[in-house]
Amino acid sequence: AQKITQTQPGMFVQEKEAVTLDCTYDTSDPSYGLFWYKQPSSGEMIFLIYQGSYDQQNATEGRYSLNFQKARKSANLVISASQLGDSAMYFCAMRESAGGGADGLTFGKGTHLIIQP
Amino acid sequence: NAGVTQTPKFQVLKTGQSMTLQCAQDMNHEYMSWYRQDPGMGLRLIHYSVGAGITDQGEVPNGYNVSRSTTEDFPLRLLSAAPSQTSVYFCASSPGTGSYEQYFGPGTRLTVT
Repeated sequence: AQKITQTQPGMFVQEKEAVTLDCTYDTSDPSYGLFWYKQPSSGEMIFLIYQGSYDQQNATEGRYSLNFQKARKSANLVISASQLGDSAMYFCAMRESAGGGADGLTFGKGTHLIIQP
Repeated sequence: NAGVTQTPKFQVLKTGQSMTLQCAQDMNHEYMSWYRQDPGMGLRLIHYSVGAGITDQGEVPNGYNVSRSTTEDFPLRLLSAAPSQTSVYFCASSPGTGSYEQYFGPGTRLTVT
């Protein structure tokens, strides 16, 4: 079974609208972390936001927020007031603590977001 | 402070050739890892290391070797390149237990013909 599922291969959104990118995850580990990365066409991986499984509040970083619904195993990324520069691939990823956090991240297949003027 | 650096940026190999992808970090991070990214896919973990002298396999280790003789360097070796290893390779580092931050290098685009 996939550990990270991103069901939206591509999305078109009008500039200035809010965007929600879906991510569901699967783990039996009670301690885990959830990440969102942005990958523009230039190829680098840009960290956006992190949510720990024990965090009481949803994470926020500027225009990015993470809608964390633990019971549903959902960690959707919300981008408020989208901008043309937000056009990129977006990846959801998880780190489980079973390996002490050392054994890397498991990534979803990504969502290609295109912001239209 | 250069962060995570990778060399080369681009490489073309013929089937059967060997090469080493270099990765270095200057942040004194304990954890380092290698990922590959294929078209339409997220990153998949190849190998990782929790410190100098300690390495372990990730999800897709076949065809790759690693070693970690120093904290700073984590090279990835392809012993006999195959077309299936055509991919973009990312190195990443993390401070260690208790920290969630993971820093990625700029990537190496490898083509095997």
